[in-house]
Amino acid sequence: NAGVTQTPKFQVLKTGQSMTLQCAQDMNHEYMSWYRQDPGMGLRLIHYSVGAGITDQGEVPNGYNVSRSTTEDFPLRLLSAAPSQTSVYFCASRSLEGGSGELFFGEGSRLTVL
Amino acid sequence: GQSLEQPSEVTAVEGAIVQINCTYQTSGFYGLSWYQQHDGGAPTFLSYNALDGLEETGRFSSFLSRSDSYGYLLLQELQMKDSASYFCAVDTGRRALTFGSGTRLQVQP
Repeated sequence: NAGVTQTPKFQVLKTGQSMTLQCAQDMNHEYMSWYRQDPGMGLRLIHYSVGAGITDQGEVPNGYNVSRSTTEDFPLRLLSAAPSQTSVYFCASRSLEGGSGELFFGEGSRLTVL
Repeated sequence: GQSLEQPSEVTAVEGAIVQINCTYQTSGFYGLSWYQQHDGGAPTFLSYNALDGLEETGRFSSFLSRSDSYGYLLLQELQMKDSASYFCAVDTGRRALTFGSGTRLQVQP
């Protein structure tokens, strides 16, 4: 039972570098999303997708790109890292077919930008 | 836009009952969820209310009043392992959940 898998778990970047956070889920969920979590600010939505080829912006999309070429994968790209992007990033997925809409989260990726 | 308000911190003793409130202002509303997050861990789902009333799952219950834009999470028979942060989240119909800033619960012996 892999669920939602994020890599890497930890990353240190220098300002201006780019990188990709990987996210994969094996539950055949239509919906996938990326959140960032900063102390005292809860979880803020960056981007989300309701299916392959479909993405949309969340609350804080600037500085991030996403794509959804398959149902399973939803990578998050930081184009030119800034210290303000130091955060914990969570990928989450859920089924869109009724019910509680429970979000399943990955373990998180802790990013530090120097 | 959307906003959710919940207390930043709550302290209670083992065995007690605690209620964590959540008020929301959103442009659309499909349901209110609650998530638990232990330090260093990922959020995990606790409950969901789409309709008014109380939903019970073991020691945890969640309540919703759509007319008051208000809900709460009730934790009974508190245990030390319940020390965690608790987040309410609203499904606004865009299929994306908006989360509150979280309530840190400290359970004392």
